[in-house]
Amino acid sequence: KQEVTQIPAALSVPEGENLVLNCSFTDSAIYNLQWFRQDPGKGLTSLLLIQSSQREQTSGRLNASLDKSSGRSTLYIAASQPGDSATYLCAVDSNYQLIWGAGTKLIIKP
Amino acid sequence: NAGVTQTPKFRVLKTGQSMTLLCAQDMNHEYMYWYRQDPGMGLRLIHYSVGEGTTAKGEVPDGYNVSRLKKQNFLLGLESAAPSQTSVYFCASKRGDSSYEQYFGPGTRLTVT
Repeated sequence: KQEVTQIPAALSVPEGENLVLNCSFTDSAIYNLQWFRQDPGKGLTSLLLIQSSQREQTSGRLNASLDKSSGRSTLYIAASQPGDSATYLCAVDSNYQLIWGAGTKLIIKP
Repeated sequence: NAGVTQTPKFRVLKTGQSMTLLCAQDMNHEYMYWYRQDPGMGLRLIHYSVGEGTTAKGEVPDGYNVSRLKKQNFLLGLESAAPSQTSVYFCASKRGDSSYEQYFGPGTRLTVT
């Protein structure tokens, strides 16, 4: 059974720092991995999708990597801003279903 | 192009009452999903559909039923609501096979008292 874990559960950093969020999964047989952002009381915004054949994807200040063999993905945020404060969720697409981590709550201090 | 919409946005039910949540998408997507999100947890899949007229169980299907009579709509029903079903419900859709990303609705906050 696929399980997805995100560590840490919460992270607080000063504005301007670069940071890395981690996502690990137990079964390497995935189709893709997605990173989402969720603001309090709001829906989900897709940030990046990495296909199983890809190693990384970039969008602006965000870079996501995927290492299927080790069951790991990272989301790198460069030059963090207070507006980046949100909960970041990763999800792996496995057998028609997205299996989700519990998220990392990120706070960027001005 | 509205994307994925959910109706209603909020609802309060008493234990034992029934209700139906409506999800609609205007992107001609084949796949549709219903998730629930509880505090401090990731989303869990309730039911999904890979095309009009098809449905399948996800991780937590008990207490829920679904129907996909039209391609653009996916309905989630609670026949006899229980306090354990208090949650935020998200609907999502996807174009086709697993190479595509899922698009999410804004969520429905349901409270069962």
